[in-house]
Amino acid sequence: SQKIEQNSEALNIQEGKTATLTCNYTNYSPAYLQWYRQDPGRGPVFLLLIRENEKEKRKERLKVTFDTTLKQSLFHITASQPADSATYLCALGVNTGFQKLVFGTGTRLLVSP
Amino acid sequence: DVKVTQSSRYLVKRTGEKVFLECVQDMDHENMFWYRQDPGLGLRLIYFSYDVKMKEKGDIPEGYSVSREKKERFSLILESASTNQTSMYLCASSPDRDSPLHFGNGTRLTVT
Repeated sequence: SQKIEQNSEALNIQEGKTATLTCNYTNYSPAYLQWYRQDPGRGPVFLLLIRENEKEKRKERLKVTFDTTLKQSLFHITASQPADSATYLCALGVNTGFQKLVFGTGTRLLVSP
Repeated sequence: DVKVTQSSRYLVKRTGEKVFLECVQDMDHENMFWYRQDPGLGLRLIYFSYDVKMKEKGDIPEGYSVSREKKERFSLILESASTNQTSMYLCASSPDRDSPLHFGNGTRLTVT
């Protein structure tokens, strides 16, 4: 069956460290993968998109990798800050002839001062 | 900045009521989506629309319908609300097939 898995347990790290979040999937062939940030009571906000032919994408303190062999994406936040505390969602872009994103359940990140 | 506005942040309805959730986007986006978000289940696609008067079923359309009479507005309709439709409902839009989604801040619906 098709599945997208993100660690359901919260990730707790100290300020200044690098946070690494994982997104694994099975039985999908995504054309691209997106990462979103969601704060409590708010809608998700787009962060980064990486395509199937790209290995890595960076934006300021954020880095995403995409390994289609391992069927995994890693999302890194370097020099993390308490303001980075939020839930992070991965979403697979599936080729169906129209736009379809399939979301993971998200991982909550808590950055302590 | 794209703005996606959902008409209500919180709604409480009774079982059997007909419920309308409204969503408006201000950036002339082609695609609009309705998701529901539940703990442990993530975001699940209910319906989407890629043009005015066009609609497509998502993964969980049962018990819902939609309306898109104008490009900027996408409405989700619960024909007869049930308690298992208590959830956070999120509307989103995008300009084309590969672009990121822009989400509204959600409507938390409680059906009693």
